[in-house]
Amino acid sequence: IAGITQAPTSQILAAGRRMTLRCTQDMRHNAMYWYRQDLGLGLRLIHYSNTAGTTGKGEVPDGYSVSRANTDDFPLTLASAVPSQTSVYFCASSALGGDYGYTFGSGTRLTVV
Amino acid sequence: QKEVEQNSGPLSVPEGAIASLNCTYSDRVSQSFFWYRQYSGKSPELIMSIYSNGDKEDGRFTAQLNKASQYVSLLIRDSQPSDSATYLCAVNVGNQFYFGTGTSLTVIP
Repeated sequence: IAGITQAPTSQILAAGRRMTLRCTQDMRHNAMYWYRQDLGLGLRLIHYSNTAGTTGKGEVPDGYSVSRANTDDFPLTLASAVPSQTSVYFCASSALGGDYGYTFGSGTRLTVV
Repeated sequence: QKEVEQNSGPLSVPEGAIASLNCTYSDRVSQSFFWYRQYSGKSPELIMSIYSNGDKEDGRFTAQLNKASQYVSLLIRDSQPSDSATYLCAVNVGNQFYFGTGTSLTVIP
């Protein structure tokens, strides 16, 4: 089934630890995105990649890094987690231009304690 | 000023009624517009897209776009309890999406 796979589904993480959220898509979409969703704040863009080998910063990039070594994978890394990074993280992808909308993964619920 | 504004609700309608969800946006160069449905604990799911002024119908859903007034709306006819969810408006500006914070809809049986 074509789509986006995120892992893990949920995670409890000690503050200060490093964590990588995984995202893989099989739709051959050029563009991929990482969002966090917090109550009352909606979806906020963390980082994006318009094509393999390129990445860009979104609205809330601090404390996060990404890489895009190939078309399918777009991992998000928290170098040293802090409690304010407790959130639900969604990976999304689109054909370049976004005119057909985004497809979202099922999300990762992360709790930093 | 936020790019995309939605009334957070909650909006409650009886089963069988028409639910009307509204969204305004600030960027006049916006080209494409989307409505997503998000059930509690789930990811957003694309339900409608609209690119030109006027109405676009898909089953019980109708999206309406007025670029001059910078608003886009979603009508849900014959609302069902299964339509109870948060509805997110999204606007594509220069290959970047801006999402509203969503409107919570409850359909009362």
